[in-house]
Amino acid sequence: DAGVIQSPRHEVTEMGQEVTLRCKPISGHDYLFWYRQTMMRGLELLIYFNNNVPIDDSGMPEDRFSAKMPNASFSTLKIQPSEPRDSAVYFCASRPDGTSGALTDTQYFGPGTRLTVL
Amino acid sequence: DQQVKQNSPSLSVQEGRISILNCDYTNSMFDYFLWYKKYPAEGPTFLISISSIKDKNEDGRFTVFLNKSAKHLSLHIVPSQPGDSAVYFCAASAGTYKYIFGTGTRLKVLA
Repeated sequence: DAGVIQSPRHEVTEMGQEVTLRCKPISGHDYLFWYRQTMMRGLELLIYFNNNVPIDDSGMPEDRFSAKMPNASFSTLKIQPSEPRDSAVYFCASRPDGTSGALTDTQYFGPGTRLTVL
Repeated sequence: DQQVKQNSPSLSVQEGRISILNCDYTNSMFDYFLWYKKYPAEGPTFLISISSIKDKNEDGRFTVFLNKSAKHLSLHIVPSQPGDSAVYFCAASAGTYKYIFGTGTRLKVLA
């Protein structure tokens, strides 16, 4: 399996521009998570989906952030308009449903997208 | 408001010695705890976990200890190897798949 795939790996944009980050989860995984990593706050959960439906978006910082999962193999995280304080590494993760071993299954992370907003 | 805290941003240990990474949490509803390891330019990978019904879980060189009364867990690596140099994240959950992560501790194992 190729693992969780994220694109682009690096994104540099100017303040005010729209940014779209993409994620392809591991095939067969029912849950998809979007995280943001910063030095000050570590890994923050932004939103997660179950079977393409958003379950918890309480971590989405502002209305400028939105996430979609149109099908089981694709998700996007969009920032519009972007600001310098959005600069961070954004991770996507997926996991299977816990039917095999409940919480003993874990989340599998992609390599991340490093976003720089100038 | 950080519910999971890793107060040591970095730690250096000599190869062959024990590495001890610490994590504190505030939410008494957390019942499952995990450690993830992260190398540069890669995503975090799962290392070891522990349920709140246990106080210790061991996997090879890695042992996680849980002290529920102190709301504290620790990861012991014995013996430490240069390949263990990475950032280690502690995470916790309260009966769901939503993990709350700490800020991470950067471990450097010196050869």
